[in-house]
Amino acid sequence: AQSVTQLDSQVPVFEEAPVELRCNYSSSVSVYLFWYVQYPNQGLQLLLKYLSGSTLVKGINGFEAEFNKSQTSFHLRKPSVHISDTAEYFCAVLTGTSGSRLTFGEGTQLTVNP
Amino acid sequence: EAQVTQNPRYLITVTGKKLTVTCSQNMNHEYMSWYRQDPGLGLRQIYYSMNVEVTDKGDVPEGYKVSRKEKRNFPLILESPSPNQTSLYFCASSLNTGYEQYFGPGTRLTVT
Repeated sequence: AQSVTQLDSQVPVFEEAPVELRCNYSSSVSVYLFWYVQYPNQGLQLLLKYLSGSTLVKGINGFEAEFNKSQTSFHLRKPSVHISDTAEYFCAVLTGTSGSRLTFGEGTQLTVNP
Repeated sequence: EAQVTQNPRYLITVTGKKLTVTCSQNMNHEYMSWYRQDPGLGLRQIYYSMNVEVTDKGDVPEGYKVSRKEKRNFPLILESPSPNQTSLYFCASSLNTGYEQYFGPGTRLTVT
């Protein structure tokens, strides 16, 4: 079975600092990978996705992620964070027949301090 | 506006009292799914539907039922809720399997 591990449950950073949120997956087949963000008291919003092609994926709000097949990782990065980036971030992988199921990691709470 | 809606947004109920959480999407999506979110566990899939009258179990289906009689609606039914079903529930839809999913705003359920 495919699974997703987010290596940090909480990441505190100062405003304008760079940040990396780590995600590893286990899979023996082709993978489709996603990062979602959940702002307080809201639903999930898609940040970016990797389906195929370039391993460096750019998303909304200045975030990007790099798909590394040899290390089975899909880490999320931003060079300079803002207070408004404070949220919970979820890594997810499509699994199941024809990508019928979305398996999530446990989430990483990013807190940006002034 | 393209969206997934859920009702109610908040619900407090008692053990054993049947309830239904509705989910509707206006994007003509084939695929719909229900998740529950619990602290430290991320989101776990309850049931999903790949088309009208086609549903299947996710990772945590026990205690839940679903139906897909119309393309736009995918209600989640708790026949006899128990306290361990206290959670935040999300409905999601996508164009089809293999595409990104769009999420509703969530329903916070408390079972006492």
